[in-house]
Amino acid sequence: DGGITQSPKYLFRKEGQNVTLSCEQNLNHDAMYWYRQDPGQGLRLIYYSQIVNDFQKGDIAEGYSVSREKKESFPLTVTSAQKNPTAFYLCASSPPDRLLFFGSGTQLSVL
Amino acid sequence: GQQVMQIPQYQHVQEGEDFTTYCNSSTTLSNIQWYKQRPGGHPVFLIQLVKSGEVKKQKRLTFQFGEAKKNSSLHITATQTTDVGTYFCAGPSRGSTLGRLYFGRGTQLTVWP
Repeated sequence: DGGITQSPKYLFRKEGQNVTLSCEQNLNHDAMYWYRQDPGQGLRLIYYSQIVNDFQKGDIAEGYSVSREKKESFPLTVTSAQKNPTAFYLCASSPPDRLLFFGSGTQLSVL
Repeated sequence: GQQVMQIPQYQHVQEGEDFTTYCNSSTTLSNIQWYKQRPGGHPVFLIQLVKSGEVKKQKRLTFQFGEAKKNSSLHITATQTTDVGTYFCAGPSRGSTLGRLYFGRGTQLTVWP
C-alpha cells in the first residue's frame, strides 16, 4: 500500500530539547517537503529536497534541520532554537507533475 | 515576495446553499492547485488548472483559472455536510520546475444540516 507515513502522530517537547519527526514514503518520489500549519495561517514551507543528499531552506527554516540520506526518508528535527514549535507538521512528496501527496501529520506541543 | 491570498477565511452555509472561495496571486502562475483538508486530517489534492481561462468540474465542484492566470475560484453547488473542511489554493514559485508551492491561508467551510 503506497503512501507517506509520518510518526509519531503526537509529540511533546520539553524546554531545550531537540525532537525529530519521521517521514517515510514508498511512492518513489524524488521531491519531499516539510510544511508547518498553524491555525488560520495556511501551510508554510520549512525545508524541501529535490533529490537524495540535497535539500534547500524554505520560508521558515530557522530552528529546524533536515537530512535526506535515503530517497524514502526525510526526517525533520525541531531544535531548541525554535522558540515557538507548537504546530501541526505535514510532510509531503511529489512526482514530476508537481502535485503534492501529504502524510497524516504530526502535532507537536510544548510541555 | 510571492503571495497567494485566499478569501473568505471562514464560510458558514446551510446545507443546500452554494459556496465559493477565491484565490489571488501577486504574480502570474504557471498553474494553480486546490486541496481539501477535512477536520483533523491532512490536505488532499483535488485538481490542477494550467490553461488561461480553464474551467474544470468535479460533480458539484467547479474550478476556474482566470484569464490572466493570477486568480482562481472554487464553487460548490448545493453544499452537503460531506463538503465540510478547509479548502486551500496553491501556486508554484516563479520559475520553479518543481513542486514548491505557496499556499493560501485556506477557507474553512462549515455546513449546517
